[in-house]
Amino acid sequence: AQTVTQSQPEMSVQEAETVTLSCTYDTSESNYYLFWYKQPPSRQMILVIRQEAYKQQNATENRFSVNFQKAAKSFSLKISDSQLGDTAMYFCAFKETSGSRLTFGEGTQLTVNP
Amino acid sequence: AAGVIQSPRHLIKEKRETATLKCYPIPRHDTVYWYQQGPGQDPQFLISFYEKMQSDKGSIPDRFSAQQFSDYHSELNMSSLELGDSALYFCASSEKGGGRETQYFGPGTRLLVL
Repeated sequence: AQTVTQSQPEMSVQEAETVTLSCTYDTSESNYYLFWYKQPPSRQMILVIRQEAYKQQNATENRFSVNFQKAAKSFSLKISDSQLGDTAMYFCAFKETSGSRLTFGEGTQLTVNP
Repeated sequence: AAGVIQSPRHLIKEKRETATLKCYPIPRHDTVYWYQQGPGQDPQFLISFYEKMQSDKGSIPDRFSAQQFSDYHSELNMSSLELGDSALYFCASSEKGGGRETQYFGPGTRLLVL
């Protein structure tokens, strides 16, 4: 079974600064998808960014980018120019190409301080 | 853009009662997924449906059942409710074709069992 590990339960950053959240996973599959979801205090699950394992280029969405290291099975999220609205729980998630389910990490609570 | 709709948003039940949660996927999405998120936990996959057929099954108790209807909406039926069933229940949906791997979440139903 796939496992996803987020080793940082909590992180904080000053507004306008950059922060990186870590995620590692374990799988024997060669093709899969990785995601970062954000869960603010409203508890809505919001897709932040996705990465296909067969793509070497790291995904980017505005201030959010990933560092995907397939051999190391690492998938970190970098948030640039942090904003107060980025305060949320961030979940890393894994999905097999052939499967349905998302497997989530334990989450990292990010606090952006003014 | 239209999002996943879940109803009700909040539900309070007594032990041993029955609850029905409803999910209306994003238009043209043919696959729905159900997740359970306990307090302070990451979401856990329960079950998914593709074209009205069960496509995957996770840690769903035997007391729970679900189905997808011809209009693609889905219902999660929960019987003999227990205190431990108190959680946030998410429905997610994904679209046909190459975008199938990205799941978009609804706002969730908060179930409290007393």
